[in-house]
Amino acid sequence: GQQLNQSPQSMFIQEGEDVSMNCTSSSIFNTWLWYKQEPGEGPVLLIALYKAGELTSNGRLTAQFGITRKDSFLNISASIPSDVGIYFCASFSGSARQLTFGSGTQLTVLP
Amino acid sequence: DVKVTQSSRYLVKRTGEKVFLECVQDMDHENMFWYRQDPGLGLRLIYFSYDVKMKEKGDIPEGYSVSREKKERFSLILESASTNQTSMYLCASLAWGYTTLNSPLHFGNGTRLTVT
Repeated sequence: GQQLNQSPQSMFIQEGEDVSMNCTSSSIFNTWLWYKQEPGEGPVLLIALYKAGELTSNGRLTAQFGITRKDSFLNISASIPSDVGIYFCASFSGSARQLTFGSGTQLTVLP
Repeated sequence: DVKVTQSSRYLVKRTGEKVFLECVQDMDHENMFWYRQDPGLGLRLIYFSYDVKMKEKGDIPEGYSVSREKKERFSLILESASTNQTSMYLCASLAWGYTTLNSPLHFGNGTRLTVT
């Protein structure tokens, strides 16, 4: 399948700081999705991006679909302890039922 | 709310054992998926099924098989467990007529399998 390169692999930040993570690929995608996985649970969809250049917000989260269609980033503003978890980017590999996931960014928020 | 239930949260098996991981969803979804999650590798698709008795290989099907005898249940089978199959296994479902473009995958909470 296609490969998504996600960075950084882990982040330790102070509560209140902003966070940025990104995902790149050598292939062009038509959709980028961002999921969050909290400890002991399955991933949950945060934001979906459908168009190159699109900027979408969900509360303190903002995600952008790169204009080259090969990358996306996710920003979290004013982090809080409940932001802790693993964040995954994802896009399609093969049919639109098959998602390919990035390797994940483990976020730790220090009080 | 869609509920995807995986029968075990933790499982410890011996090398060579046959292992069954069970997943049940309660929303009449046609599409079901098995992923494996390893640190630094993200989620990798093992198999998926888009209807009863139908199955398709994902990116890493080797060493695994699946069974979909009923719509609500999708089983992952390790015919002869090996230590490199120690991992977190996640099941997910998706309604027919939808793709992950317009509807999120609904995940279970995972089964952490240890093969010794």
